Amino acid sequence: SQTIHQWPATLVQPVGSPLSLECTVEGTSNPNLYWYRQAAGRGLQLLFYSVGIGQISSEVPQNLSASRPQDRQFILSSKKLLLSDSGFYLCAWSTRRGRYEQYFGPGTRLTVT
Amino acid sequence: AQSVTQPDIHITVSEGASLELRCNYSYGATPYLFWYVQSPGQGLQLLLKYFSGDTLVQGIKGFEAEFKRSQSSFNLRKPSVHWSDAAEYFCAVGAGNNNDMRFGAGTRLTVKP
Repeated sequence: SQTIHQWPATLVQPVGSPLSLECTVEGTSNPNLYWYRQAAGRGLQLLFYSVGIGQISSEVPQNLSASRPQDRQFILSSKKLLLSDSGFYLCAWSTRRGRYEQYFGPGTRLTVT
Repeated sequence: AQSVTQPDIHITVSEGASLELRCNYSYGATPYLFWYVQSPGQGLQLLLKYFSGDTLVQGIKGFEAEFKRSQSSFNLRKPSVHWSDAAEYFCAVGAGNNNDMRFGAGTRLTVKP
């Protein structure tokens, strides 16, 4: 069966510091990968998606970037965090072919102080 | 582009009572529709999905949803709510490609003892 991991689970970082959040998927090949942000009491905002290694599409221009160095690894980064980057970050995957449901990881709670 | 509206931000029901969460979508063709549940501090879990065929779909945890094309709705129902159902519920609609799922803002469910 497929599983998706995210780490760290929680993170407290000062303004201006760098960020690296990691997401890995097991049990599937060539997944589509997604990064979402969920602000407190808000819905999900799609940040980035990837259909393959090195292929990243950005939905919202912002202080963040994403990379996909391996087939089942998706990284969310920032060079300098802003207070507005605080939130709950969710990684998700879906099969490249077939149906379109997405499966979510446990999330990372980021607090920028 | 498709969109999703969840009219109810917060709903409170008594344990054992029936539940209906509303979802309206906007999409020009036959949509792919989903309901997800999110417990506090957790990722999203897929409850059920609709792609085609029978308009009443059964999901996990005793939930069901009915697709009504004439009303552009996909409401989630459960005949008897349990305290463990307290969570945030998200409706989502998928378009024709893997990279274009849109989520509603969510409905928070509180269950009274």
